[in-house]
Amino acid sequence: QVQVVQSGSEAKKPGASVQVSCKTSGYTFNSYYMHWVRQAPGQGLEWLGMINPGTSAARYAQKFQGRVTMTSDTSTSTVYMEMSSLRYEDTAVYYCAREVVGGTAFQHWGQGTLVTVSS
Amino acid sequence: EIVLTQSPGTLSLSPGERAALSCRASPSINSNYLAWYQQKPGQAPRLLIYGASIRASGIPDRFSGSGSGTDFTLTISRLEPEDFAVYYCQQYRTSPYTFGQGTTLEI
Repeated sequence: QVQVVQSGSEAKKPGASVQVSCKTSGYTFNSYYMHWVRQAPGQGLEWLGMINPGTSAARYAQKFQGRVTMTSDTSTSTVYMEMSSLRYEDTAVYYCAREVVGGTAFQHWGQGTLVTVSS
Repeated sequence: EIVLTQSPGTLSLSPGERAALSCRASPSINSNYLAWYQQKPGQAPRLLIYGASIRASGIPDRFSGSGSGTDFTLTISRLEPEDFAVYYCQQYRTSPYTFGQGTTLEI
């Protein structure tokens, strides 16, 4: 069965960078886009961008352009999201999510990674 | 950017009742590229409906979706205790793939 497992919680200072990993199994890694979504405490969902794991081609929400980089490692079926120049308002749970078969909606979600930005 | 507005913000109902949640897109999605998710506290969202009306794998048939263009509805025919949660709509027609602000379904 499809499994999506993310790395653990991170605590960072303002201005630092963070990398979150998302390891997948149970399907052909290259066949489905992976998306990243975040949720600030008590808030709604916000889409950061997406990556084609096979080609590493990525598309980012304009809000995060230049501050977020998504990469993939086909040898380990893992995708990564790195965010730089962290701000207090980047404190959130970050999710990776795989598309549903035959569509773009997000069916298989990681468990989430809490990133806390604090001085 | 497509803005999705969900209503109501909070819906108070009882088990066994019917729930209708609305999602309005501006501008129009011009398609049925809309999904609905359920989220419970401390959990990742769960895909319920995609393509506006296609139930995801394993989703009970009491959940149904309808609409196209600008107005979409998620209907839960008979509420079960486990259905009380937050529901989000999402469009994936145009990047950025935006979400609505959510509807809280409470007992």
